[in-house]
Amino acid sequence: DAKTTQPNSMESNEEEPVHLPCNHSTISGTDYIHWYRQLPSQGPEYVIHGLTSNVNNRMASLAIAEDRKSSTLILHRATLRDAAVYYCILSGGGADGLTFGKGTHLIIQP
Amino acid sequence: NAGVTQTPKFRVLKTGQSMTLLCAQDMNHEYMYWYRQDPGMGLRLIHYSVGEGTTAKGEVPDGYNVSRLKKQNFLLGLESAAPSQTSVYFCASSGGLAGYNEQFFGPGTRLTVL
Repeated sequence: DAKTTQPNSMESNEEEPVHLPCNHSTISGTDYIHWYRQLPSQGPEYVIHGLTSNVNNRMASLAIAEDRKSSTLILHRATLRDAAVYYCILSGGGADGLTFGKGTHLIIQP
Repeated sequence: NAGVTQTPKFRVLKTGQSMTLLCAQDMNHEYMYWYRQDPGMGLRLIHYSVGEGTTAKGEVPDGYNVSRLKKQNFLLGLESAAPSQTSVYFCASSGGLAGYNEQFFGPGTRLTVL
């Protein structure tokens, strides 16, 4: 699976939007972009995934660059509960699970 | 639906002891996975299964064995525990290929090997 690059940490204020960036310059045409998050002392939780077009769900939006070499996870209105480690993961659709990096530690200030 | 459950939640072993971690899912998923997470790191895949009776090696399989005798259960065994296996173990399941489908994770088992 291709490698992703994320900032180690980011800080935001409660009730403001948060944009979490991810670079994946070696992405292949069949790689999906996945985002998971992990709250303290819990297992990872699926957030969103997409291939080429921007995606929205109840948790977040995923904006994918036209050349697909980068993407941004958007939390529209952060709450304290959104404080977590966010992982950006590429997967070509194989059966062998996902490859997690170190992710971005998101800190939400009240 | 309980989702994905893991037993036990915590365990302390002495070097050389053996144990089995149990993962159960009630979503009728074909695919199941075992990961380990060391402090400050992301998850690494140990073994996975694409259906009942099948298993395959992941990124870090050494020192572990697995079995999938029933579709809903995926067992992870440590035959002779070593301090390097001190970690948090997560089980996950998905209804289809991991690359295309959401993975559902359990709450984790925190294992300490002395």
